[in-house]
Amino acid sequence: QLQLQESGPGLVKPSETLSLTCSVSGGSLSTSSYYWGWIRQPPGTGLEWIGTIYYSGTTYYNPSLKSRVTISVDTSKNQFSLKLSSVTAADTAVYYCARQPSSGYYPNYYYSYMDVWGKGTTVTVSS
Amino acid sequence: QSALTQPASVSGSPGQSITISCTGTSSDVGSYSLVSWYQQHPGKAPKLMIYEGSKRPSGVSNRFSGSKSGNTASLTISGLQAEDEADYYCCSYAGSSTLVFGGGTKLTVL
Repeated sequence: QLQLQESGPGLVKPSETLSLTCSVSGGSLSTSSYYWGWIRQPPGTGLEWIGTIYYSGTTYYNPSLKSRVTISVDTSKNQFSLKLSSVTAADTAVYYCARQPSSGYYPNYYYSYMDVWGKGTTVTVSS
Repeated sequence: QSALTQPASVSGSPGQSITISCTGTSSDVGSYSLVSWYQQHPGKAPKLMIYEGSKRPSGVSNRFSGSKSGNTASLTISGLQAEDEADYYCCSYAGSSTLVFGGGTKLTVL
């Protein structure tokens, strides 16, 4: 059974870079059937899609975060990662990684939902 | 890209049916039959309940159903049960490989 596990520092200082890794177990990240994404949830509020990556390294970002976000993949470790730069208190949230099934037909593939989620990791931005 | 609009809260008694709406625009919900719904219990990760508008993943009760009319998608839960009490979020494909979530709805089972 596929499992996702987020890891990284729980506390980040303002203006620094938040770095998280999602480890995939029970299956390979290197498959054309799925994309892999990051979603966050600030305390007491709703979900926000951050971005998505394909195993080839192609990335897609939320326009509101695009200037600060980098998502990368390491297929040899079966992991993908999130970096969010210049963080502020507004970036305090639970960060989730998730699997996103690929839909559509060549050449128009797309993703529209998350079917497997990690348990989430809390990141606090504070000095 | 603005968040989809959901009611902050809905409630119902056991056995009843409730519907949660999710209103977007012609750029997201209205243009694609690609709305998904997630159930989230306190302190837990979201769980996929409906995808591509009306499809149910394996293992999800058939008491959960999804539909769409114009720019509004809906999640209906029939035969309400105590364990359905949770937060529910909609999510829509919004073009250009982007996704947008709703603000969430708290369901209370009376």
